Amino acid sequence: GAGVSQTPSNKVTEKGKYVELRCDPISGHTALYWYRQSLGQGPEFLIYFQGTGAADDSGLPNDRFFAVRPEGSVSTLKIQRTERGDSAVYLCASSPDLAGGSTGELFFGEGSRLTVL
Amino acid sequence: AQSVTQPDIHITVSEGASLELRCNYSYGATPYLFWYVQSPGQGLQLLLKYFSGDTLVQGIKGFEAEFKRSQSSFNLRKPSVHWSDAAEYFCAVVFYNNNDMRFGAGTRLTVKP
Repeated sequence: GAGVSQTPSNKVTEKGKYVELRCDPISGHTALYWYRQSLGQGPEFLIYFQGTGAADDSGLPNDRFFAVRPEGSVSTLKIQRTERGDSAVYLCASSPDLAGGSTGELFFGEGSRLTVL
Repeated sequence: AQSVTQPDIHITVSEGASLELRCNYSYGATPYLFWYVQSPGQGLQLLLKYFSGDTLVQGIKGFEAEFKRSQSSFNLRKPSVHWSDAAEYFCAVVFYNNNDMRFGAGTRLTVKP
């Protein structure tokens, strides 16, 4: 499709399990962002990539969270030893370049809802 | 500290009434400013953005926003609200030294018939 695609749309897991969330950005977009949105909150920045490298990972809450983008396109957010507090919607966005550049816009996927029981 | 604030958590307006949603930021310069809308089960959609120039910005769906440097504000307005405007609205900023987008907590808009 033409937009940002995120899978799975819903994921239910048990505390302590490992989870991977996938993001397929718009073709040609070099910048990719991960956000986390808890109920009633605005999106919280986690990490962004410019190409294959993580340009800023300062938003990752702890070392259980990790993200990769090995070929500069698809990205995977990985969460180890999940906790109930990790339950949220994880949003991915892409942009033609850093911070939207000339377009000034991030294009968002519909998110992956993670529930940790 | 750099921050973006939306003072109103929830606003209710009657259909056809005017709307203003507030957004303030804290930063030593003028950031890039955005408004996004999020409807239930939908992704975030850009309404409008401000980089520079004319401080009154027109967006989609009849929305506009005005940048006021003296007040560090970027309030969103619409002259006549439609029932389909009911959604969550997020103000977002890009601070130059971060190069990533930060969001306010959001304002939930309810439209009464």
